[in-house]
Amino acid sequence: GENVEQHPSTLSVQEGDSAVIKCTYSDSASNYFPWYKQELGKGPQLIIDIRSNVGEKKDQRIAVTLNKTAKHFSLHITETQPEDSAVYFCAATPHTGNQFYFGTGTSLTVIP
Amino acid sequence: GAGVSQTPSNKVTEKGKYVELRCDPISGHTALYWYRQSLGQGPEFLIYFQGTGAADDSGLPNDRFFAVRPEGSVSTLKIQRTERGDSAVYLCASSPSGEGTRDYEQYFGPGTRLTVT
Repeated sequence: GENVEQHPSTLSVQEGDSAVIKCTYSDSASNYFPWYKQELGKGPQLIIDIRSNVGEKKDQRIAVTLNKTAKHFSLHITETQPEDSAVYFCAATPHTGNQFYFGTGTSLTVIP
Repeated sequence: GAGVSQTPSNKVTEKGKYVELRCDPISGHTALYWYRQSLGQGPEFLIYFQGTGAADDSGLPNDRFFAVRPEGSVSTLKIQRTERGDSAVYLCASSPSGEGTRDYEQYFGPGTRLTVT
């Protein structure tokens, strides 16, 4: 089955700086890669996703890049704000209806 | 519109007892997933429903775990003879599976925190 690795496990940045979280996956059949933000005591919230036919996707301050050859994808948050502080999870899945395989999470702290 | 809801939000039970956890998916979503999240870990897949049927239950850890979705909407996760190792947050997600480009997206509920004492 798929194996998703995520790093770093913790990340602290100054407000206004950028944050980058990286994930690798093992199954070349994976073709959908979502990113979730989870705040304390809440369920994961989908923030951005990318499909294998796209190399980069951007939504305001958040962007995701995908390198299918190297089997890795990254989340980029620019101009970080204190409210960006949360745990972020990457995931991968090979096709519709299949389970998501999640990374182990990155705890992001944005220091005001 | 309303998101995925789960009840109860917290459940404390004694070892050996039976528990039921409920999930109300987003209206119209045909796919429903259960995941389990241990402290400091990402969610781990348990079971997936497409409509009323369990399309994939390969993540259920053993036969003490069972889930149903009799009318293709609400789902119940049932755990028999609970053990302390079952303590975790149980997450439910639903997906508009089949609706073109959105069919991959999974939307999660707030979870049920289960504590087995």
